[in-house]
Amino acid sequence: GQSLEQPSEVTAVEGAIVQINCTYQTSGFYGLSWYQQHDGGAPTFLSYNALDGLEETGRFSSFLSRSDSYGYLLLQELQMKDSASYFCAVRVDTGRRALTFGSGTRLQVQP
Amino acid sequence: DAGVIQSPRHEVTEMGQEVTLRCKPISGHNSLFWYRQTMMRGLELLIYFNNNVPIDDSGMPEDRFSAKMPNASFSTLKIQPSEPRDSAVYFCASNGDSYEQYFGPGTRLTVT
Repeated sequence: GQSLEQPSEVTAVEGAIVQINCTYQTSGFYGLSWYQQHDGGAPTFLSYNALDGLEETGRFSSFLSRSDSYGYLLLQELQMKDSASYFCAVRVDTGRRALTFGSGTRLQVQP
Repeated sequence: DAGVIQSPRHEVTEMGQEVTLRCKPISGHNSLFWYRQTMMRGLELLIYFNNNVPIDDSGMPEDRFSAKMPNASFSTLKIQPSEPRDSAVYFCASNGDSYEQYFGPGTRLTVT
């Protein structure tokens, strides 16, 4: 079976840095994605890592260690609008584009 | 581009009724996904089409659920008969050559 573990909730203050971890146990691995979902909204794509290392996109960065089956999403200079749920998702088969999603981490940014 | 379009946005129906959810993927995208999201089970993949052909329907919960993609610009997810436990938000997503899946706004289904 497929298993992705994320913390259920994280709280931080505006301007701070927060890291959301994701560990996975899957039958195959071809990449780790991160999606953001605001309450009542649809998931939106943030990042994708296929190789080990750090990918940076503005205030958001994503890291992958394939040997540790681990990744994280790093959010810097937190803003109130970053309050949302964040999902990691694994692509388990190179021939299939379907994703297996984690249960999500609810981030609350406080003033 | 209008993005992925889903209809209806909200559906309230009584147990036993047939429900049909509709999706128009982004033009040019050749993969289409139906997901269901609930508090208890999170975001679950129901079925995945590639070039209009169902590739993986292992997530379809039971025979009451069926999905079709008659052409590259339209897909339906049907539940017949519907049950209260089917209440959820159903998302359609499409994907082209990139790793990004583009999600529609979702259909919030309530079965009473």
